[in-house]
Amino acid sequence: DIQLTQSPVSLSASIGDRVIITCRASQGIRNDLGWYQHKPGKAPRRLIYAASNLHSGVPSRFAGSGSGTEFTLTISSLQPDDFATYYCLQHNSYPLTFGGGTKVDLK
Amino acid sequence: QVQLQESGPGLVKPSQTLYLTCSLSGVITRSGSYYWSWIRQPAGKGLEWIGRIYTTGDTKYSSSLKSRVTISVDPVKNQFSLKLTSVTAADTGVYYCARDDKVGFDHWGQGILVTVSA
Repeated sequence: DIQLTQSPVSLSASIGDRVIITCRASQGIRNDLGWYQHKPGKAPRRLIYAASNLHSGVPSRFAGSGSGTEFTLTISSLQPDDFATYYCLQHNSYPLTFGGGTKVDLK
Repeated sequence: QVQLQESGPGLVKPSQTLYLTCSLSGVITRSGSYYWSWIRQPAGKGLEWIGRIYTTGDTKYSSSLKSRVTISVDPVKNQFSLKLTSVTAADTGVYYCARDDKVGFDHWGQGILVTVSA
């Protein structure tokens, strides 16, 4: 199975901060990676697909980059609605796997 | 408008079998453009992919769960289902069904809380 390691596990940030989350794959997965936002009591929401493509309706402050084994999710200016847990997901090969998650909370 | 809705019991006894159903609207299971997946969030943990089914009936499962999981599809009812056997407290959590557009999950159900307890 492909392992995805996210860092940091949690971070505290202020409104307007630039936030960067990293996801490392245990083997190369081309650009077969997406990013999801998950808030308590709600369904997860896709933000990014194919490493760098913005999902429909997602604000442009979210951006994804990377390929192979190293990927990043960047929030250019953190907004109140962005406090949540973020997960990466690889769909390069079965079984599909998620990263362990990064919780973003208010400093 | 695409919608997915999970249904099933909220409480299951240890060692019993969990059955969940995902009902679709705005899209059909027969569509060759999508896979249909189950994902869960065990209590206090992160997201975990359980498995998926394609319109042909082809299935793929998580390595850790494949001995206990079966996913099936009913095109007539436009639903797909999850069967998880020999449940334990570790299976307690929120279960989601989701549509996989082959680059990830673009639509999700609202989730259903399942508690395993005597």
